[in-house]
Amino acid sequence: GESVGLHLPTLSVQEGDNSIINCAYSNSASDYFIWYKQESGKGPQFIIDIRSNMDKRQGQRVTVLLNKTVKHLSLQIAATQPGDSAVYFCAENNQGGKLIFGQGTELSVKP
Amino acid sequence: DSGVTQTPKHLITATGQRVTLRCSPRSGDLSVYWYQQSLDQGLQFLIQYYNGEERAKGNILERFSAQQFPDLHSELNLSSLELGDSALYFCASSAQGGSGNTIYFGEGSWLTVV
Repeated sequence: GESVGLHLPTLSVQEGDNSIINCAYSNSASDYFIWYKQESGKGPQFIIDIRSNMDKRQGQRVTVLLNKTVKHLSLQIAATQPGDSAVYFCAENNQGGKLIFGQGTELSVKP
Repeated sequence: DSGVTQTPKHLITATGQRVTLRCSPRSGDLSVYWYQQSLDQGLQFLIQYYNGEERAKGNILERFSAQQFPDLHSELNLSSLELGDSALYFCASSAQGGSGNTIYFGEGSWLTVV
């Protein structure tokens, strides 16, 4: 649904571990999904996207999984680094170009 | 660097005033989007333009307006400003206007209304 709330879920991981960030989306008609990374004071940065006709897509150190049955999206980051610390947003696209953002998850990487 | 340029980066203004935020999309992108990010509302879609025409409207107040010019840059006008309008305003762009087009964001314009 629409992005709400100011209390972000947090995920704390050790440097070198894998991270999994989850997201539930709202509209079963959504056909395109994007993960963004937002560092403090900066704009959302595109990480990876996936279309609804796919279940999995891999990028460099990142993998996105899509489960349309339960309307769930996940972002896996391999070998998490301190530079990965940020807020991660999933976004769904179901009305032309309009993106609906999730509330975000704050990832904290401990050295 | 996403290629989307926004100015100004920071802006402080008084209640009741009017400001204009400017956005240059990535080279070749036809569609421009405006988003508002505040602490209590997260990232909220305001409005989308495609090749100069309004394409979609979101939670944009009547005090706010936008346009996209023939050179594809866009402006977001905020008037009769209230304290609650203080937020980060992002512009984003994509090649086309439909679903499936990657949308790239600028660094935002910090608006503080005092």
